[in-house]
Amino acid sequence: EVQLLESGGGLVQPGGSLRLSCAASGFTFNNYAMNWVRQAPGKGLEWVSVIYSGGSSAYYADSVRGRFTISRDNSKNTLYLQMNSLRAEDTAIYYCAKDVRGGYTSMIFDYWGQGTLVTVSS
Amino acid sequence: DIQMTQSPSSLSASVGDRVTITCRASQSISRYLSWYQQRPGRAPNLLIYAASSLQEGVPSRFSGSGSGTDFTLTITSLQPEDVATYYCQQTFSTPGSTFGQGTKLEIK
Repeated sequence: EVQLLESGGGLVQPGGSLRLSCAASGFTFNNYAMNWVRQAPGKGLEWVSVIYSGGSSAYYADSVRGRFTISRDNSKNTLYLQMNSLRAEDTAIYYCAKDVRGGYTSMIFDYWGQGTLVTVSS
Repeated sequence: DIQMTQSPSSLSASVGDRVTITCRASQSISRYLSWYQQRPGRAPNLLIYAASSLQEGVPSRFSGSGSGTDFTLTITSLQPEDVATYYCQQTFSTPGSTFGQGTKLEIK
């Protein structure tokens, strides 16, 4: 059974940093691209970032480029999101999501974690 | 950026009704369109990809159609467990993606 378990969320002040983790199990992690998708309270879904299976290529939404860094450790089956220079508008539930296809990304997400809440407030 | 617009933003229907949700892209996206269901308090769940392909395990009352800029998600016989918000997503501009604003479906 595929499982994705996010952690690392919490309350942080504007300008602060936070590192999210997503522990994966139940599939061959190093075969699939992985993504972060966020959802502000009461709002819709926003794609944040993707990293390809080998970790050599990563892409970001304009809203986070230059502030967030996605990475993965295939030996630990874990995905990360380093978030710096956080703003109030980054407040959201952050989901990790597995791509449905191996290798590069199709941007189709067949499994999602339960999410971790990040609150940016003074 | 490709914008995705869903209509209606919310709707209420009775159990057994046929329900249709539409999604329009700001430019042609061929058939690079997915649909997700998000039940209250839960993570999204993939229903349809490539405009009309049913994800494994999804009930056959869900179907998708369309190409280019106009797409439709149809539920042929609404069930109580279908109460959720539904999102379309374009996957044409890979890497990168945008979602519609969502359609909240309730039972009358």
